[in-house]
Amino acid sequence: DTEVTQTPKHLVMGMTNKKSLKCEQHMGHRAMYWYKQKAKKPPELMFVYSYEKLSINESVPSRFSPECPNSSLLNLHLHALQPEDSALYLCASSQDLRREGIMDTQYFGPGTRLTVL
Amino acid sequence: QKEVEQNSGPLSVPEGAIASLNCTYSDRGSQSFFWYRQYSGKSPELIMFIYSNGDKEDGRFTAQLNKASQYVSLLIRDSQPSDSATYLCAVNYGGSQGNLIFGKGTKLSVKP
Repeated sequence: DTEVTQTPKHLVMGMTNKKSLKCEQHMGHRAMYWYKQKAKKPPELMFVYSYEKLSINESVPSRFSPECPNSSLLNLHLHALQPEDSALYLCASSQDLRREGIMDTQYFGPGTRLTVL
Repeated sequence: QKEVEQNSGPLSVPEGAIASLNCTYSDRGSQSFFWYRQYSGKSPELIMFIYSNGDKEDGRFTAQLNKASQYVSLLIRDSQPSDSATYLCAVNYGGSQGNLIFGKGTKLSVKP
């Protein structure tokens, strides 16, 4: 089973709101990722957690705040977003970052479609 | 500079034909290569991964890797209309702390 779940599926928020996106996996994976994908563009990496510690932050604005409460859960807290932040937010997980020197396969969740008004 | 290049298409093939999708990358140190399929409005779905030079087959799909030429391809045999989607090539960059870089994707259309 390679299922990653994300909630909510859709989210509409104003620029002054605070909201959170949630991602969950029960595959025992120890690496989890947040990506942002705009229409007709490829996914862009935002954050990587490895063994519940932040491993990579791709210079993401502070209005996006990731959190990894445990090995199965990954949250993305949103505050004071801009309309240009509207996008599909994808969570992914992999068993580890790398195994035997090779980058591990990432499995994506269904995504949260975010609209900022 | 991190670059993964794909022909954006659209690539149109008739049903039953072989679809050939190509990808080039700029980092000679890359070791991991992935093909994802993405239907419109959906998330990427893993099709194949390949680490070693040569061919890797899985059902109707064959991934080909040539590290000397920095080239990876995906062949889809007996193409079906349900294969119509955007195919994303993804390559790792940056060594032990590296991340996955995606190409812009090739849109494939299989005509009945």
